[in-house]
Amino acid sequence: EAQVTQNPRYLITVTGKKLTVTCSQNMNHEYMSWYRQDPGLGLRQIYYSMNVEVTDKGDVPEGYKVSRKEKRNFPLILESPSPNQTSLYFCASSSTGTDLGTQHFGDGTRLSIL
Amino acid sequence: DQQVKQNSPSLSVQEGRISILNCDYTNSMFDYFLWYKKYPAEGPTFLISISSIKDKNEDGRFTVFLNKSAKHLSLHIVPSQPGDSAVYFCAARDNAAGGTSYGKLTFGQGTILTVHP
Repeated sequence: EAQVTQNPRYLITVTGKKLTVTCSQNMNHEYMSWYRQDPGLGLRQIYYSMNVEVTDKGDVPEGYKVSRKEKRNFPLILESPSPNQTSLYFCASSSTGTDLGTQHFGDGTRLSIL
Repeated sequence: DQQVKQNSPSLSVQEGRISILNCDYTNSMFDYFLWYKKYPAEGPTFLISISSIKDKNEDGRFTVFLNKSAKHLSLHIVPSQPGDSAVYFCAARDNAAGGTSYGKLTFGQGTILTVHP
């Protein structure tokens, strides 16, 4: 089954404690992306990756890091989380070319930073 | 500055009637537009898309219209069904191929559609 898997699904943690949200896809997609969803703001892109070792900033990259060492994985790293990063996070993937944009999304990770 | 705007936070329609969801954008570099549907506790799922070289794309009950001069797109659902009740996001792709924005996808705030039986 084609899918994008995020872990954990829920996490409550404290300010300043480094955390990583993993994302893995089994569709051999070149493109992967991270979004956060906040009330009234919709989905905002954090980082995206066009292929292995290629990453670019989205609209809200501050406070986040990503890496793309393997095609299937695209972890999101919060080095020093703060309460304003409390949000619902989605990872997505797609092929490139004309299909870029018709992304497959994971089911989300709800982060609470106290 | 919100480059993609869905100005209606919610829409309520009767089963069998038409649902029209609207989206406005400001960036003239957007050349590919998409609609996603999202149910609670799930990730968004792709619904339908349209290239800027077209003004209409149809897929079953779903039709997307694009008015480039007005920088406006809309999603029509006919007939609406209770199972269509969800949050709908429009999104735009900044397809400046070779530019630093290639691969950026900008979403609107979403519209909650409720279809009553």
